[in-house]
Amino acid sequence: SQTIHQWPATLVQPVGSPLSLECTVEGTSNPNLYWYRQAAGRGLQLLFYSVGIGQISSEVPQNLSASRPQDRQFILSSKKLLLSDSGFYLCAWSLDSGRKQYFGPGTRLTVT
Amino acid sequence: TQLLEQSPQFLSIQEGENLTVYCNSSSVFSSLQWYRQEPGEGPVLLVTVVTGGEVKKLKRLTFQFGDARKDSSLHITAAQPGDTGLYLCAGAGGGSNYKLTFGKGTLLTVNP
Repeated sequence: SQTIHQWPATLVQPVGSPLSLECTVEGTSNPNLYWYRQAAGRGLQLLFYSVGIGQISSEVPQNLSASRPQDRQFILSSKKLLLSDSGFYLCAWSLDSGRKQYFGPGTRLTVT
Repeated sequence: TQLLEQSPQFLSIQEGENLTVYCNSSSVFSSLQWYRQEPGEGPVLLVTVVTGGEVKKLKRLTFQFGDARKDSSLHITAAQPGDTGLYLCAGAGGGSNYKLTFGKGTLLTVNP
């Protein structure tokens, strides 16, 4: 069966510091991968998605970036965090056209 | 831009009551997904509906996709405290879009 991991689970970072969140998927090959941000426990905002190694589509222009160095690894980064980057970051994977997406446990980021 | 409106935003009921939450759009979706999310965790996929007018049942939960594939509803019979959570609907645009559009969710609290 497939599993998805995210780490760290929680993170507190000062404004201006760098960020690296990691997501890995096990038990499947060539998944579509997604990064979402959820504010205040409500709707999900799609940040990036990837349909293959090195292929990244950005949905929201901001100071975040994403990379996919391996088939089942997706990384979310920032060079300098802003207060507005605080939130709950979710990684997801799918195998089809993206209809059924399966989410990881999330990372709670607090920028202070 | 495709938008999904969920109503109500908040719902607090007593154990044993029935409830319906709605997900509406002016856009047509190729499929509609429903997720449930508990605090501090990632959303869990409950069901996918694909055909206009389709009805799916998952124990005490009944999901319906509108005939025009623009709206959906979730009905819970005899709600239990374990049903508490954020219910999110998400629409897929079809083709090789790879993306989902999420509503802002209905936060359900079932009191014992």
